[in-house]
Amino acid sequence: GESVGLHLPTLSVQEGDNSIINCAYSNSASDYFIWYKQESGKGPQFIIDIRSNMDKRQGQRVTVLLNKTVKHLSLQIAATQPGDSAVYFCAENPPPGSSASKIIFGSGTRLSIRP
Amino acid sequence: GAGVSQSPRYKVAKRGQDVALRCDPISGHVSLFWYQQALGQGPEFLTYFQNEAQLDKSGLPSDRFFAERPEGSVSTLKIQRTQQEDSAVYLCASRHTVQHEKLFFGSGTQLSVL
Repeated sequence: GESVGLHLPTLSVQEGDNSIINCAYSNSASDYFIWYKQESGKGPQFIIDIRSNMDKRQGQRVTVLLNKTVKHLSLQIAATQPGDSAVYFCAENPPPGSSASKIIFGSGTRLSIRP
Repeated sequence: GAGVSQSPRYKVAKRGQDVALRCDPISGHVSLFWYQQALGQGPEFLTYFQNEAQLDKSGLPSDRFFAERPEGSVSTLKIQRTQQEDSAVYLCASRHTVQHEKLFFGSGTQLSVL
């Protein structure tokens, strides 16, 4: 079946450095992607999204890159701070006509920050 | 309210008990989702409502799981005859439109079945 997965389950980054979290998706027809951050004991929190007609989108300290050729998403966090410590999930919205209502989540990457 | 509200925050049930989990979505949001999240895993889709209509329940693991949203606002997820494998965090999420828009999540209900 279709799935969204992540290359690395854990990532340790020095405070102040940039973080890059990767995600692979298998449904080439998916047309909307979202990154969520989840802190312990809380629900997932929206970070940034991107539609399939874009390659890059920037937010505050975050950038999402979409490579449709290899079905790959990445989340870049600039100048990583202790408050960025969390689990990060990528999620995809299947294309219209195929369970388009649900958003499918990957298993997540835990980001830890070294002081 | 300002966000998605879920209650109770924690629920401990004895095996075989029935439980009911409540979700108050953001006012005016058409779409409502329930997800199940096991420890160390990503959220797994359970069911989806568009207003009061349950359009997708393909993720419900068994007929012991039942969800409703009778007036298109508040939703309840009911689990009958709970089993230990039902222990997880149950997340509710809503969004304003039908698709291609981010979900807003509640903090979840952590269910522990003993």
